Amino acid sequence: EAGVAQSPRYKIIEKRQSVAFWCNPISGHATLYWYQQILGQGPKLLIQFQNNGVVDDSQLPKDRFSAERLKGVDSTLKIQPAKLEDSAVYLCASTPVGHNEQFFGPGTRLTVL
Amino acid sequence: GESVGLHLPTLSVQEGDNSIINCAYSNSASDYFIWYKQESGKGPQFIIDIRSNMDKRQGQRVTVLLNKTVKHLSLQIAATQPGDSAVYFCAEEENQGGKLIFGQGTELSVKP
Repeated sequence: EAGVAQSPRYKIIEKRQSVAFWCNPISGHATLYWYQQILGQGPKLLIQFQNNGVVDDSQLPKDRFSAERLKGVDSTLKIQPAKLEDSAVYLCASTPVGHNEQFFGPGTRLTVL
Repeated sequence: GESVGLHLPTLSVQEGDNSIINCAYSNSASDYFIWYKQESGKGPQFIIDIRSNMDKRQGQRVTVLLNKTVKHLSLQIAATQPGDSAVYFCAEEENQGGKLIFGQGTELSVKP
């Protein structure tokens, strides 16, 4: 079974630029999560989708971050404009309905200069 | 702040020894706990989980212990191998909605 796919794996941008990350969850997984993992810390949930609906976006900085999952499969996370403190690994995870185990992708490492 | 934390940021063990990684959580209502392993450059990988109606669960070479009285979780790795070197995170599920709260992590280093 293919795992969670993310791209790009690495991205370097200047502050105030925009960036977008893409996630393709495991086939059939209805729930999709985006996490931010700052170096030396555990992942922090940004947003949770159930199919194409948002379940929890309470920790998403909505003034600059946005995410969508229009068809309930792939998802994109965007940052506009980026700040230095956005430098982190952005992890996508998915899980099938009725299960708790979250399967994580390899992440996108973002560096904001 | 974080509701889940780890006691030690680093742990170094000899190959073949047993490892014990500890975790403290603050939400007594948490019902579900997971241990993840994260190798450099990779996403977290599920190791083992436990529900609050259990105090012990065993997997292959790993055991998770849950002490709800003192809100403490531990991961025991038997016969630690170099491939076990990674950062280990405990996480608790908030409000049974799937949202995981992760601790800071413990870096396990296995010396050959």
